[in-house]
Amino acid sequence: EDQVTQSPEALRLQEGESSSLNCSYTVSGLRGLFWYRQDPGKGPEFLFTLYSAGEEKEKERLKATLTKKESFLHITAPKPEDSATYLCAVLHGSGNTGKLIFGQGTTLQVKP
Amino acid sequence: NAGVTQTPKFQVLKTGQSMTLQCAQDMNHNSMYWYRQDPGMGLRLIYYSASEGTTDKGEVPNGYNVSRLNKREFSLRLESAAPSQTSVYFCASSRHMGQGGSGNTIYFGEGSWLTVV
Repeated sequence: EDQVTQSPEALRLQEGESSSLNCSYTVSGLRGLFWYRQDPGKGPEFLFTLYSAGEEKEKERLKATLTKKESFLHITAPKPEDSATYLCAVLHGSGNTGKLIFGQGTTLQVKP
Repeated sequence: NAGVTQTPKFQVLKTGQSMTLQCAQDMNHNSMYWYRQDPGMGLRLIYYSASEGTTDKGEVPNGYNVSRLNKREFSLRLESAAPSQTSVYFCASSRHMGQGGSGNTIYFGEGSWLTVV
């Protein structure tokens, strides 16, 4: 069964304490892996897309990496404004009918 | 550039009532989607429209209907609302569906909070 699992469910960090969020997947025909940020009461905001194992993308304090089985979102020296729920989604399938499967998200809280 | 706009933001319905959630995108995207988000369940696809004139069922279509009115607009209708449809609904769009490259990045609206009592 195609599945996307994120861990941990919740993460509390002190400001400046670096850590990583995990997204593991079991899908056939991976065509892309997406990371989104979601603030309370808002829609998911696109962060990164990764397409192949070994690929890395960076944006400010965030760095996303991809292997054949999982992706990591590394947060370096986080600030309180990085507090949010981070969603991982996998695009799979063939032709023009590929769909996204979302993980359940990791809720990050960064304390000052 | 507004991106994806959905209305209403909040709605309370009585069981059995009907309503339509409206969605419009101004990014000239071909593909549009409706998701629901429930605690512990993540985002689940209700219906999608790969291109203007086509619609297809997603993972959880029961109790819903959709209309792709034109390239910009994609509405979601609840014909007879049930308490199980209490959720947050997100409309989304992408340039294409299922193809490689940046065209399949999906952009989301701000959400519609629906409560069925």
